[in-house]
Amino acid sequence: NAGVTQTPKFQVLKTGQSMTLQCAQDMNHNSMYWYRQDPGMGLRLIYYSASEGTTDKGEVPNGYNVSRLNKREFSLRLESAAPSQTSVYFCASSGETGGNYGYTFGSGTRLTVV
Amino acid sequence: GENVEQHPSTLSVQEGDSAVIKCTYSDSASNYFPWYKQELGKRPQLIIDIRSNVGEKKDQRIAVTLNKTAKHFSLHITETQPEDSAVYFCAARALTSGTYKYIFGTGTRLKVLA
Repeated sequence: NAGVTQTPKFQVLKTGQSMTLQCAQDMNHNSMYWYRQDPGMGLRLIYYSASEGTTDKGEVPNGYNVSRLNKREFSLRLESAAPSQTSVYFCASSGETGGNYGYTFGSGTRLTVV
Repeated sequence: GENVEQHPSTLSVQEGDSAVIKCTYSDSASNYFPWYKQELGKRPQLIIDIRSNVGEKKDQRIAVTLNKTAKHFSLHITETQPEDSAVYFCAARALTSGTYKYIFGTGTRLKVLA
């Protein structure tokens, strides 16, 4: 059981470039989330998907788009990267059944935009 | 909207002493409260959680208490050890527009001094 897998682990982009962060979970969870964590800061929700086929904005969605490709996969896209998007990005999933409500986080993607 | 306040932001204790971190939530419909530990450069990991129908839960040196009336919950770590040094996040789970969302506190940086 891999849990939540994120790729890539590290990425350096030039301002204006685009990229997609990939996330996949194998726990049959309905809900998936994307967070960013700036140095010394907490977790801020970018987008989430309560179930396959649905996505909603979190508190900091500007500059990002998401796709819930299927139940397992939830990708985050930066169309035109900016230095302000330099951060560590975490994907998470949660199950609402079987008494297990907690998040499982991926290992994170450290993104630097120069 | 929903809000979770976490205090203190930093906490230093001597090895062997106890540490207490407190969180207050705003949404009375919140029904699940997990705590996460994040070591430097790593992903947040669930360490303990409590549901709204329980007042206290203990797991070895870690305990969580919940006061639903006052809408606050606390993490207690006894006999602290250097490996307890990390950032701790509380969270509250609430139903918003038909979707469960987790609201995180801003984190507490715990330093255990040897």
